[in-house]
This record gives sequence, C-alpha cells and structure tokens, in this order.
Amino acid sequence: GQNIDQPTEMTATEGAIVQINCTYQTSGFNGLFWYQQHAGEAPTFLSYNVLDGLEEKGRFSSFLSRSKGYSYLLLKELQMKDSASYLCAVRDSNYQLIWGAGTKLIIKP
Amino acid sequence: DVKVTQSSRYLVKRTGEKVFLECVQDMDHENMFWYRQDPGLGLRLIYFSYDVKMKEKGDIPEGYSVSREKKERFSLILESASTNQTSMYLCASSFRSDVDTQYFGPGTRLTVL
Repeated sequence: GQNIDQPTEMTATEGAIVQINCTYQTSGFNGLFWYQQHAGEAPTFLSYNVLDGLEEKGRFSSFLSRSKGYSYLLLKELQMKDSASYLCAVRDSNYQLIWGAGTKLIIKP
Repeated sequence: DVKVTQSSRYLVKRTGEKVFLECVQDMDHENMFWYRQDPGLGLRLIYFSYDVKMKEKGDIPEGYSVSREKKERFSLILESASTNQTSMYLCASSFRSDVDTQYFGPGTRLTVL
C-alpha cells in the first residue's frame, strides 16, 4: 500500500530552527509537495521537489532524497505565525497526490 | 491570486438529506478536486475532474457523486447524508502542468446529525 509518515506534533521556540520529516512509500514518484495549513483554514502551497537536493525559499527550505524515500521541511527564524500544520504529499505514478496526516507545529515564545 | 470559493463554511444536515457542496474557481483551471479531511488522517480524494462534464473516482467515492457542468464550478453531492460523512470537505483546483500545484478553498465543515 501507499504510505506517507510524518510526526504528529512538534514543539519549537520562537527564533529557533525546526526540521519536519516526511518518509514515503508510494507506487512511483512524480514530485513531493509541502503545504501549510493554519487551524480552520485551507492548505496553502509551500514547496515542490522532484529532484534530489535542497530547495530554499526564504526562511523555508525543503530537501528530497528519492533513493531514501525521504524529505524534510526546514523552518528557520521561527515566528509565532508559523504555528500551523504542515502537510507532506507525494504524487504517485498515476499523478495522484497521496497525503500525509500532517505535523502540527507549536511555537512557544 | 487564485481564488477558490466554497458555498458554505459550516453546514448542519440530518441523516438521509441530500446535500450539495459547491466550489467555484476563478483561474480557468482545468483540474478540480474534492477531498475530505478527518483528524489523524491525510486528505482523502473523493472525486476529481480534468474537464467539463468529466469525472473520475478517487479513493473514497462511495456515498458521493459530483457534477461539473461549467469549467469553473465543481459540485459535490451527498445523495443521502449519513453520520459517518461528518467531516471537513475541501475543494481544490489546479492548472494542468508539470508541477500541477493544487489551490484549496476554505473548506466546508459538514455535520450530519
């Protein structure tokens, strides 16, 4: 079966760095997405990786290793507004998105 | 900015009622999707559509149907609502491309009593 694993919840301190991991087992691979979802709101697109390596976008970076079935989202200089759930999704061989359950990130002052 | 709107933020219905959830996008996207989101589970795809009048079943289509008569509008229909369909329903759309990023509406929280 297809599976995406992420930690359920993480806590970090304002101003610090946090890494949210995602491991996947899917039938085929055609890209990995990270979305941010604030409580009660719609998911919003953060990043897309299809090749191995690190993609940097301001305070957020996303890394992919296809051989290990592994990605992480790195958030630097954490701000209170970064408190949200972070969803990892993999596009499989049928070009369908398989979604993880999300990681709830709690930022403390 | 892409805008995806859903007809209601909150809806309360009774078991057995027919329920219509509407989704409209204003960016001329070919692809539209309906998901449900439940605590502890990833988004689960109910139905999707790649073109007008076209629909494909997702992972959990049972108890649902869809309609896409116009490119900008994708409706989800619960033929006879049941309590296990209480959930958050999210609509998304995307432009057909290599990246195919999905843009989501604000969601409809449906409670079936």
